[in-house]
Amino acid sequence: TQLLEQSPQFLSIQEGENLTVYCNSSSVFSSLQWYRQEPGEGPVLLVTVVTGGEVKKLKRLTFQFGDARKDSSLHITAAQPGDTGLYLCAGGGYGQNFVFGPGTRLSVLP
Amino acid sequence: GAVVSQHPSRVICKSGTSVKIECRSLDFQATTMFWYRQFPKQSLMLMATSNEGSKATYEQGVEKDKFLINHASLTLSTLTVTSAHPEDSSFYICSAILGSWETQYFGPGTRLLVL
Repeated sequence: TQLLEQSPQFLSIQEGENLTVYCNSSSVFSSLQWYRQEPGEGPVLLVTVVTGGEVKKLKRLTFQFGDARKDSSLHITAAQPGDTGLYLCAGGGYGQNFVFGPGTRLSVLP
Repeated sequence: GAVVSQHPSRVICKSGTSVKIECRSLDFQATTMFWYRQFPKQSLMLMATSNEGSKATYEQGVEKDKFLINHASLTLSTLTVTSAHPEDSSFYICSAILGSWETQYFGPGTRLLVL
C-alpha cells in the first residue's frame, strides 16, 4: 500500500515569512501533485511534477520532486494571508491508485 | 482551465433515504472520474474510480451496493448513496482526468448531512 506523509501537519506563521512543506513516501510515484483546498471547497491543482529532481515555480511557490521520486517539497516565499489553506500532496499516475497525504494546514496571519 | 461541477452543493436528508450526487466535466470529456470522501479535518479518501461505459472500481472497504456509481456519458458521473445513515454524512468530492493521467481536476464538493 502506497502511503504519503506530510509535515508539518499544522503551521501558523506571520505574513512575509518563508515556509517549506514536505511530502514523503517510501514508494516511488510516477508523478506527484500539489493541491490547495479551502474550507467547503474542492482541492485546486497547483502543480504536477513528473521528473526526478524537477523544480517548478509558480509565482512565490517553488515545488521540487525528489531525485528518487519518493518525496516532494513546497516552498512559499513571503507568505501572504491569501496563502492560508490546506495543502495536499497526492501521488499516482497511470496504473497506480491516487493517494493523498494527510495535508498541511497553513495559517498566515496578517 | 478545466471545470468540474457538482450538484447539489449541499443536501440534508432523512436516514433511510437515497441521495444522488452529480459530477459534470463542463468543458472537456472525461473517460475517468474519481469519487472521494472527506471527513472534517481529514484528507481525501478515494472511494471509487468511475469509468465511462463500464462498471466502477471500488476501493477496499467501500460497499458498492451502498454507493452506486453510474458514468453514462463522457461528461457525467453520478454517485447515489442508498439508504443513507448518519455515519454517511461527509463531504463528497469528485474529480475528472483531463489529458494526461497525472492531472485531476476537482469539483467543489457536496456536503451531505443525514439526520
